[in-house]
Amino acid sequence: AAGVIQSPRHLIKEKRETATLKCYPIPRHDTVYWYQQGPGQDPQFLISFYEKMQSDKGSIPDRFSAQQFSDYHSELNMSSLELGDSALYFCASSLNRGLETDTQYFGPGTRLTVL
Amino acid sequence: AQKVTQVQTEISVVEKEDVTLDCVYETRDTTYYLFWYKQPPSGELVFLIRRNSFDEQNEISGRYSWNFQKSTSSFNFTITASQVVDSAVYFCALSHPYSSASKIIFGSGTRLSIRP
Repeated sequence: AAGVIQSPRHLIKEKRETATLKCYPIPRHDTVYWYQQGPGQDPQFLISFYEKMQSDKGSIPDRFSAQQFSDYHSELNMSSLELGDSALYFCASSLNRGLETDTQYFGPGTRLTVL
Repeated sequence: AQKVTQVQTEISVVEKEDVTLDCVYETRDTTYYLFWYKQPPSGELVFLIRRNSFDEQNEISGRYSWNFQKSTSSFNFTITASQVVDSAVYFCALSHPYSSASKIIFGSGTRLSIRP
């Protein structure tokens, strides 16, 4: 079965640079979530989109922005990178069944290292 | 507020032993989902199970079993006859199902090491 695809898998950037992470959800899934997992930490919710509209927002810095496109893929844009942004970034997707959301399936993650 | 607590930070057992990972949750919602995810050393998050709050039946899947007790707000995970490949970080998690996009609240994780 097709899974969530994330690219790139690894990314190395310098401080103050910009990074763009991409996420391609499981086919027919209409909801995308972004999570950040720091070293030794649990994943923390950043932001989510349902049908191309932002649906929930967590502890996402103002330097980060995201969107979901017409083909349901999503991009997380990160500017003015800081050392503390080094983390594993997960994208997850799910199918919204009316009022009830289905299980979130996670991609393999993008490991961002900021030097 | 929603919260998930995994008091066991690390567990180490010898292969073939049974091991139970504890999970306690807090929520004011009457309807919710509980999850367990596995994160092996390679880093991906692997979905193991989802339980609805209204379904307290215990579940068994091969060597894995889950004990959901609403009265104690616990959702414990047992691995029977553990194997080295079970070594990973295991996250218990909680979400609210009835919203347009429901974020997952993770516990801090339990690092399980299975020694040969």
